[in-house]
Amino acid sequence: KAGVTQTPRYLIKTRGQQVTLSCSPISGHRSVSWYQQTPGQGLQFLFEYFSETQRNKGNFPGRFSGRQFSNSRSEMNVSTLELGDSALYLCASSSLAGGGETQYFGPGTRLLVL
Amino acid sequence: QKEVEQNSGPLSVPEGAIASLNCTYSDRGSQSFFWYRQYSGKSPELIMFIYSNGDKEDGRFTAQLNKASQYVSLLIRDSQPSDSATYLCAVNKNNQGGKLIFGQGTELSVKP
Repeated sequence: KAGVTQTPRYLIKTRGQQVTLSCSPISGHRSVSWYQQTPGQGLQFLFEYFSETQRNKGNFPGRFSGRQFSNSRSEMNVSTLELGDSALYLCASSSLAGGGETQYFGPGTRLLVL
Repeated sequence: QKEVEQNSGPLSVPEGAIASLNCTYSDRGSQSFFWYRQYSGKSPELIMFIYSNGDKEDGRFTAQLNKASQYVSLLIRDSQPSDSATYLCAVNKNNQGGKLIFGQGTELSVKP
C-alpha cells in the first residue's frame, strides 16, 4: 500500500505571499491531520479533517486553513506568510473513525519564508 | 507545565545496551500513547502504540504504560547505531480524533 504523499516537498516564498500544500492519505484512510514542526516549538497540531469536515483544530491563527476533498485528499493554505511560518509541514493519515487512531506521516513539505 | 514532557537528551548508550526513553503527560484523560522515531531531515516513523497499562513488546522495542503515574516509556534492547535518532512521545487526549500532542523528543545516540 502506498504511503502518505505530500507535494511539494520544498517551497520558498516571500513574506506576504500565500501557499497551498497538498496531502494524499494512505488508501482507505479518511482522517488527515496537519502538523507544523520547528526547532523551537517541536511538532504542533494544526487541524484534522475527517470526511471533509474539520474535526479538531489547534492553536494557530486564522491565516492557517485547510480543507478535505471527497477522495480524502487534503490541502492546507497559509495566507500572508510570515518569517516565523518557515517550518516542516507534516500531514498524517489514519483509518479509524473513533479515537486512538494510529497516524502515519508523510515526508513533509519544507517551507522557507524569506 | 507542558502537556507531554520528555528529556531532550542527548542520551548516549553503547552498542548492544538497553536504551530507556521516558515520557510524562499531564492529562489523566489521555487514552492512547505513541512512540515515533525521527531521523534527521526525515518525517516521524511510528514505532509503537499502547493503550493499556503494562508492557507491550515488539521485537527489540518495549513500551510501558503506567496511567496512575502518568508515565510512558520506551525500552530499546540491543541498541544499534541505526537506532540513533530523535524519539517522540505522542499522546491522544480523550480520544480526540486525530489530534496528537507531542513531546519535544529525546535524541538518542548509540555509539559503536
